[in-house]
Amino acid sequence: GAGVSQTPSNKVTEKGKYVELRCDPISGHTALYWYRQSLGQGPEFLIYFQGTGAADDSGLPNDRFFAVRPEGSVSTLKIQRTERGDSAVYLCASSTYLNTEAFFGQGTRLTVV
Amino acid sequence: AQTVTQSQPEMSVQEAETVTLSCTYDTSESDYYLFWYKQPPSRQMILVIRQEAYKQQNATENRFSVNFQKAAKSFSLKISDSQLGDAAMYFCAYRSAQGGSEKLVFGKGTKLTVNP
Repeated sequence: GAGVSQTPSNKVTEKGKYVELRCDPISGHTALYWYRQSLGQGPEFLIYFQGTGAADDSGLPNDRFFAVRPEGSVSTLKIQRTERGDSAVYLCASSTYLNTEAFFGQGTRLTVV
Repeated sequence: AQTVTQSQPEMSVQEAETVTLSCTYDTSESDYYLFWYKQPPSRQMILVIRQEAYKQQNATENRFSVNFQKAAKSFSLKISDSQLGDAAMYFCAYRSAQGGSEKLVFGKGTKLTVNP
């Protein structure tokens, strides 16, 4: 595609529910990143994929958060037993290998009520 | 761990004037990259300008330029001839040049208002 695509754009869920957020990177980009941006803050790193493998998952806050990229393209961020504190904008970015410029999607705004 | 600090939560500028946004960072590394990203209400982060730490020359992209002071660990963004479309959140970000450390570390951002 022309850019990084994230779906859904907005998601409202009830506390305790499971959610999946999808990221479709730019075609050919081997690197994929997930960030979380809380209100009034800068984005915080969650996880980085190089191809199908998670090269760095040090930013995942706890074991309720998990991400996959089974075919090295589309990635899904999965959040179990959602909490109100998980409410944030979840941003995805992609880049070519070793390229310093990451291209961002428009994010998914997750609201846990 | 690296940190990025933006000390100006909000800034305003008159259209056609010049404004400078401040950023400082903390790192023990000698080789790294610095970035300024713009985030309009659409939420999409857009790269404005980047600087490689090993380059002494300050980066410039049209109306946007940086003042990179490596010893002081300072990386400010100057926007010349400000336009209404420049209004947005601006984030300073750091990235290590070490292999395997691909993540961006962001500051908290500066909200820029451009007054007509």
